[in-house]
Amino acid sequence: QKEVEQDPGPLSVPEGAIVSLNCTYSNSAFQYFMWYRQYSRKGPELLMYTYSSGNKEDGRFTAQVDKSSKYISLFIRDSQPSDSATYLCAMSDLGGNQFYFGTGTSLTVIP
Amino acid sequence: GAVVSQHPSWVICKSGTSVKIECRSLDFQATTMFWYRQFPKQSLMLMATSNEGSKATYEQGVEKDKFLINHASLTLSTLTVTSAHPEDSSFYICSAKTTLNEQFFGPGTRLTVL
Repeated sequence: QKEVEQDPGPLSVPEGAIVSLNCTYSNSAFQYFMWYRQYSRKGPELLMYTYSSGNKEDGRFTAQVDKSSKYISLFIRDSQPSDSATYLCAMSDLGGNQFYFGTGTSLTVIP
Repeated sequence: GAVVSQHPSWVICKSGTSVKIECRSLDFQATTMFWYRQFPKQSLMLMATSNEGSKATYEQGVEKDKFLINHASLTLSTLTVTSAHPEDSSFYICSAKTTLNEQFFGPGTRLTVL
């Protein structure tokens, strides 16, 4: 079993839709949870960073962590064509010495 | 967020030559940097963890004599691909970890070996 599971998609939605991206994990030691956005031929860009269970909102993005279910989500409201990219979840333990990445979900927002 | 730079962004070299890629944390100090490799439409593959002032820790299957990593300062790590061959052609991305355990990535270096 992989440490982090993420549906690779691809996911295609119309502009303005709410997008839900999810990851599950198996290691209860994970304490830090991140979402990255990666455009083609670019390095990943950190979108959201959370430490505890609950919700964190930043503009159109909301990150949700449920440690009891070992499940994290990223919601994108009012999706835009510029949101079309691959979204990677990542997590690490308290020491942050090792990070585990999901395989990424490819998202296309259609105008 | 913190900024990580990589240089060069794109390099073409002949088979058998060596290529050095630099990774710099521009506005923070990073005791730990990571080097990844990414093939088209695939996820990141961790190659090695670079700690300032000590030897890098390589992932299983990564040849340490081929991919030389040096982390001589808190803001600079280098990856040297020695005796490069066409199969080494790939997208190499570095990242740097902050004291808050956030990981910021560089823009990547596209290596093409002819």
